[in-house]
Amino acid sequence: AQSVAQPEDQVNVAEGNPLTVKCTYSVSGNPYLFWYVQYPNRGLQFLLKYITGDNLVKGSYGFEAEFNKSQTSFHLKKPSALVSDSALYFCAVRPRGYSTLTFGKGTMLLVSP
Amino acid sequence: DAGITQSPRHKVTETGTPVTLRCHQTENHRYMYWYRQDPGHGLRLIHYSYGVKDTDKGEVSDGYSVSRSKTEDFLLTLESATSSQTSVYFCAISGDRGDSGANVLTFGAGSRLTVL
Repeated sequence: AQSVAQPEDQVNVAEGNPLTVKCTYSVSGNPYLFWYVQYPNRGLQFLLKYITGDNLVKGSYGFEAEFNKSQTSFHLKKPSALVSDSALYFCAVRPRGYSTLTFGKGTMLLVSP
Repeated sequence: DAGITQSPRHKVTETGTPVTLRCHQTENHRYMYWYRQDPGHGLRLIHYSYGVKDTDKGEVSDGYSVSRSKTEDFLLTLESATSSQTSVYFCAISGDRGDSGANVLTFGAGSRLTVL
């Protein structure tokens, strides 16, 4: 069975500083990996995905994620945080050949002015 | 949330009563999913559908049933609601996997259910 771990319940960063939201996964084979963001009282929105190829994936709103196969990690990053980036972030994994996503528990990102 | 709507958005009910949540899509997507979101648990899959009348169980399916009689509608039913089913329920849709094999989910705005 696949699983996703987001080790930090909350990440605090000052505006303008770089941010990292961590994600590790456990799944057989080479999975598809995703990041979603949830703003208050809204559904989840897709940010980016890793399929194959370049380990650095670029997504929406200046976010990027780095796939590391040996560490089974897919950390979300942004060079310069904005207050408007404050939200709940979810990492998700889907093994190849499956139709469903498994989500992590989410990490709350708080960016202070 | 364009192309996918959930109803009702908010519902308060009593223990033991049946509840049906509706997910409607206008994207003609093949796959539809029901998730529940709870603090400390993230999103957990309840049931999903891969076509009309084709459904399968997810991680937390006990106490829930689903039906999909049309491509555009996916219903989630709680036959006899319990307080443990108080949650926010999200519907999601996705198209065929396509060449990339990595279909992206589009989520509805959520339905907040409180069972007293």
